[in-house]
Amino acid sequence: GAVVSQHPSWVICKSGTSVKIECRSLDFQATTMFWYRQFPKQSLMLMATSNEGSKATYEQGVEKDKFLINHASLTLSTLTVTSAHPEDSSFYICSARGTVNALVIQPQHFGDGTRLSIL
Amino acid sequence: DAKTTQPPSMDCAEGRAANLPCNHSTISGNEYVYWYRQIHSQGPQYIIHGLKNNETNEMASLIITEDRKSSTLILPHATLRDTAVYYCIVRVALRTGTASKLTFGTGTRLQVTL
Repeated sequence: GAVVSQHPSWVICKSGTSVKIECRSLDFQATTMFWYRQFPKQSLMLMATSNEGSKATYEQGVEKDKFLINHASLTLSTLTVTSAHPEDSSFYICSARGTVNALVIQPQHFGDGTRLSIL
Repeated sequence: DAKTTQPPSMDCAEGRAANLPCNHSTISGNEYVYWYRQIHSQGPQYIIHGLKNNETNEMASLIITEDRKSSTLILPHATLRDTAVYYCIVRVALRTGTASKLTFGTGTRLQVTL
């Protein structure tokens, strides 16, 4: 089945550091990728949607200058948390969906997440 | 996208069928019902989706009522590894190419016990 790979799975860094998270679709071309954030004991919250080759669309309340998203190819999207602070500590999860087909509905597939801890 | 309502938690004995209900009374005619689950500390896993007919795959069965206002996900023989949070999500079909996002509610926490 479709696989989405996310790297790194776990990162600890000092406050003020920028952290980059990669999301790759391994066996399909992802025209659309999504980035979610999940705090402990809460549900997933969508941060932004990105389409290959265009700027990401951010959800209300998500700072686009804080969370930089690049979707330069059909198999790779990156999320960079700039000048990270302890309140940015969370579980970040990417998701990808293949090229829309007129006959087949494409489900969204998720990576295994990146646990980010800012000291 | 229409909202969904799920019970916050359920228990199921291992080997028995787990029936997870979902209410989506405001669903529109062009909206699909999707089910995902999230095992602790992992990303969500796609299970199944459907429009109006019942669906079955290797993981589960999806039963959608005739009026499409509710559905039930059935895990026919639950195991301990099925312990997870199960999310029922309603979303517009993607045939137009419009990026329709998945919005997660609080889901149902299924605990499978010995």
